[in-house]
Amino acid sequence: EDKVVQSPLSLVVHEGDTVTLNCSYEVTNFRSLLWYKQEKKAPTFLFMLTSSGIEKKSGRLSSILDKKELFSILNITATQTGDSAVYLCAVDTSGTYKYIFGTGTRLKVLA
Amino acid sequence: DGGITQSPKYLFRKEGQNVTLSCEQNLNHDAMYWYRQDPGQGLRLIYYSQIVNDFQKGDIAEGYSVSREKKESFPLTVTSAQKNPTAFYLCASRLAGDTGELFFGEGSRLTVL
Repeated sequence: EDKVVQSPLSLVVHEGDTVTLNCSYEVTNFRSLLWYKQEKKAPTFLFMLTSSGIEKKSGRLSSILDKKELFSILNITATQTGDSAVYLCAVDTSGTYKYIFGTGTRLKVLA
Repeated sequence: DGGITQSPKYLFRKEGQNVTLSCEQNLNHDAMYWYRQDPGQGLRLIYYSQIVNDFQKGDIAEGYSVSREKKESFPLTVTSAQKNPTAFYLCASRLAGDTGELFFGEGSRLTVL
């Protein structure tokens, strides 16, 4: 059975800290891995990582994909209170159009 | 502006009633999805559709039904057979093709009284 596991489930840090969120997966026919940020309602897209794009960076956020070890990490440097959210990892499997989501990591950044 | 519109945003239902959640997109996306999110949990797939007049069950389809009569619309009906329907429901869509991001609506929160 395909599955995506995120860790930790929750995390509390102070502003300025650096955090690393983990996402491991076991799926057949991996196609891509996506990271989303969910604050109140709709998840917003952060990154998509594929075999041809295993590293992405945008401002203080960065992500890498290790296809050999089947995991991805999302790094946030110099955290701000606005980074407080649930971070979701999803894997897209080819041939099915299905996206499998992990349970998410709830990040709280204290001022 | 292109996007996905879900309605209603909040809905209260008595036990035993069916309710229909609307999802409309003007992104010209081919595939559409319905996910359910419970507190402290990730997204679980209810149904998805790759093309008009075709849809597939996801992991938790029991007690739900969908239709895809038009490319831009993918309504979800929560039936009385769904034992625990109180949840946050998210509709999403994407273009056909090799891979791509999912775009999400703002969600509908259903509460059963």
